[in-house]
Amino acid sequence: AQSVSQHNHHVILSEAASLELGCNYSYGGTVNLFWYVQYPGQHLQLLLKYFSGDPLVKGIKGFEAEFIKSKFSFNLRKPSVQWSDTAEYFCAVKNTDKLIFGTGTRLQVFP
Amino acid sequence: ETGVTQTPRHLVMGMTNKKSLKCEQHLGHNAMYWYKQSAKKPLELMFVYNFKEQTENNSVPSRFSPECPNSSHLFLHLHTLQPEDSALYLCASSQGGGGAAETQYFGPGTRLLVL
Repeated sequence: AQSVSQHNHHVILSEAASLELGCNYSYGGTVNLFWYVQYPGQHLQLLLKYFSGDPLVKGIKGFEAEFIKSKFSFNLRKPSVQWSDTAEYFCAVKNTDKLIFGTGTRLQVFP
Repeated sequence: ETGVTQTPRHLVMGMTNKKSLKCEQHLGHNAMYWYKQSAKKPLELMFVYNFKEQTENNSVPSRFSPECPNSSHLFLHLHTLQPEDSALYLCASSQGGGGAAETQYFGPGTRLLVL
């Protein structure tokens, strides 16, 4: 069965620090990869996604993620975080119509 | 706003009550989903409807009963729930057809507390 692992459960950063959130998945076939974000009190929204092509994907709000097939990873990065990036971040993998989520990483950014 | 609305936003119910959650999407999509979000656990897919037909029931107890009368509306009927069913219930929609490239759009969720 497919699964998604997010090893960082809670990350605390100061503004302007760089961010990298880990995501690993277990599935050997073709997958589509997503990062969703859930700001406090708001709904889940898509941050970025990878289907094919360039493994470095750019999303909204300065986020990017890199698909490394050999490592089964899809880590999320941002060079300089802001207080408004405080949220919960979910990695997800999909190969048919089922979206499998990780447990999420809670990011707190302090000014 | 994602074009997916859910009502009510909060619900408190006793174990003997019957209630329903409603989801509506204004995106012209043909697939709709129910997820359960519990603390410290991954989002759990509960049900999938494609073109009004249920295509996935992820071993959900029968006290949860979905209904999809048309491609824009999805209900989750609740009956004799347990306290461990307390969670955030999320609805999502996508274009439909089962394509792996589809993006799912989520509603704000219904926060359910079972006493």
